[in-house]
Amino acid sequence: DIQMTQSPSTLSASVGDRVTITCRASQSISSWLAWYQQKPGKAPKLLIYKASSLESGVPSRFSGSGSGTEFTLTISSLQPDDFATYYCQQYNSYRWTFGQGTKVEIK
Amino acid sequence: QLQLQESGPGLVKPSETLSLTCTVSGGSISSSSYYWGWIRQPPGKGLEWIGSIYYSGSTYYNPSLKSRVTISVDTSKNQFSLKLSSVTAADTAVYYCASGQVIGAFDIWGQGTMVTVSS
Repeated sequence: DIQMTQSPSTLSASVGDRVTITCRASQSISSWLAWYQQKPGKAPKLLIYKASSLESGVPSRFSGSGSGTEFTLTISSLQPDDFATYYCQQYNSYRWTFGQGTKVEIK
Repeated sequence: QLQLQESGPGLVKPSETLSLTCTVSGGSISSSSYYWGWIRQPPGKGLEWIGSIYYSGSTYYNPSLKSRVTISVDTSKNQFSLKLSSVTAADTAVYYCASGQVIGAFDIWGQGTMVTVSS
């Protein structure tokens, strides 16, 4: 099975900072990578699909890049509403796997 | 706009079968535009994909749970369901149903339902 490893596990940042989260797949998944934001007590929210496509309604400060085994989620200017946990998720051959999550905290 | 709502018991005894239903509104569960899935999240932990079902009826399960999981669709009620047998305390989690329109991602999620396994 494909394993997804996110780094860092926790990230402390300030409003206005540029933030980058990395996700690595244990084997190539082409561009079948999604990113989600989850706030406490809420369901995950899709941000990015197919590695770099922005979901409708998601602010343009969020962007995704990468292919194969290395992917990144970038928040260009961190806003107060962005403090949350972020998960990557791969899709390959009718199987889905999530990364362990990255918590973005207030510095 | 598609909406999903989970329902089912919040407490299940060890060794019994966990049964949840996801009711779909704003769209047809038979539509070829969607696929459907179950994801769970133990308290304080990350997300785990349980399984998915397509409009054709084809099902796909997490290998670690495959022997205990059944996902099915009831087109007459516009619902899909999850059954997880022989549960233990490790199955205690928030269970989410979700749907996808874009291959590989779940873009619509239910609010989640907490299921506790305890005697």
